[in-house]
Amino acid sequence: QVQLQQSGPGLVKPSQTLSLTCAISGDSVSSNSAAWNWIRQSPSRGLEWLGRTYYRSKWYNDYAVSVKSRITIKPDTSKNQFSLQLNSVTPEDTAVFYCARGGEGGVGLDVWGQGTTVTVSS
Amino acid sequence: SYELTQPPSVSVSPGQTASITCSGDKLGDKYVCWYQQKAGQSPVQVIYQDTKRPSGIPERFSGSNSGNKATLTISGAQAMDEADYYCQVWDSSSYVFGTGTKVTVL
Repeated sequence: QVQLQQSGPGLVKPSQTLSLTCAISGDSVSSNSAAWNWIRQSPSRGLEWLGRTYYRSKWYNDYAVSVKSRITIKPDTSKNQFSLQLNSVTPEDTAVFYCARGGEGGVGLDVWGQGTTVTVSS
Repeated sequence: SYELTQPPSVSVSPGQTASITCSGDKLGDKYVCWYQQKAGQSPVQVIYQDTKRPSGIPERFSGSNSGNKATLTISGAQAMDEADYYCQVWDSSSYVFGTGTKVTVL
């Protein structure tokens, strides 16, 4: 049974970097069939996919256009986890952040983390 | 960017059928997934590849997709089905989510 456990601060100051980690159990971040995603949810934006990292003989990333200049998603194979960094945050980045496992061929996002509420405020 | 439109709300009586629509341009050419999100919880996938149910999802949940519209059907709705529901597709190297539908069972 695959589980994702999120960790990270719930409060970030404007202009600083938001950092979250998602620890994987029951699967591998280096899986050749899975992709590891970050999604956020806010009343104004609804569910918004932010990006993903995945391994297919080498590491790849895809990022949403809306955050592409500010986002980094990285795998950590030694700890079997992956992370999100979002730079230069503003109050508009306040949201619940989720990590999730995705697949290929229309299988969608089948396992989700518990969610982390992140508030951007001074 | 690709857009998916859902009705804001749907009401259904217990034991009756609820249909939730998701509209998008040439949606039938894409695979659609559906997620259920109860208050204060993470989303849970209830349909993938248009019509398939993940393990553990009750048979009363079914999906279809054709033309410009996909539909999630809850047959014999129960009180426990009250939640927000979101459709989702993969388009231009991005996941795209629908606007969400609140299902009320009363």
